[in-house]
Amino acid sequence: AQSVAQPEDQVNVAEGNPLTVKCTYSVSGNPYLFWYVQYPNRGLQFLLKYITGDNLVKGSYGFEAEFNKSQTSFHLKKPSALVSDSALYFCAVRPPTIYGGSQGNLIFGKGTKLSVKP
Amino acid sequence: NAGVTQTPKFRVLKTGQSMTLLCAQDMNHEYMYWYRQDPGMGLRLIHYSVGEGTTAKGEVPDGYNVSRLKKQNFLLGLESAAPSQTSVYFCASSWLSSVDTQYFGPGTRLTVL
Repeated sequence: AQSVAQPEDQVNVAEGNPLTVKCTYSVSGNPYLFWYVQYPNRGLQFLLKYITGDNLVKGSYGFEAEFNKSQTSFHLKKPSALVSDSALYFCAVRPPTIYGGSQGNLIFGKGTKLSVKP
Repeated sequence: NAGVTQTPKFRVLKTGQSMTLLCAQDMNHEYMYWYRQDPGMGLRLIHYSVGEGTTAKGEVPDGYNVSRLKKQNFLLGLESAAPSQTSVYFCASSWLSSVDTQYFGPGTRLTVL
């Protein structure tokens, strides 16, 4: 079955330190990969996506993610965390159409709560 | 430019009651989606639409119906609400496919007693 895993329910980081939020996937072929962020009582906001090309993707608010095909991972990173980065982060994947992906088929992970302390 | 709006923001229903959630977008997007978010389960796709007059089932469609009579609106209906439908419901839209950035509404918190 196609799936997305975010192995950490919560990540705690001190402000100014680098942060990593992990995501791995189990999908046939080359998937399309996304990161979204959800602030309290809000809808999700797009951060970045990988479609094809350079494995390092840069997104909003200084975030970046690296697509690693051999490890089937798409970890989210930021060099220096801010308290305002505290939120719920979702990794999502859309399998290629030939491998069962449909136009509506975005599979979300369960989310990782990021807490950045001053 | 309001983006994606959802009505209502909160609702409490009794088991067996019906209701309709309204989603509206002013970005001229072709694709629209309804998700539910439950603790520890991420977002799960209920139904989606690839254009006016079309709808399709997502991962968890049972107990829900949808309609897309106008391009800017996507309605989610619960004909006979059940406690298992207690959740936060999010609508989203995207330009031409789910590969495009999805823009989310603020959510509707529904409680079924």
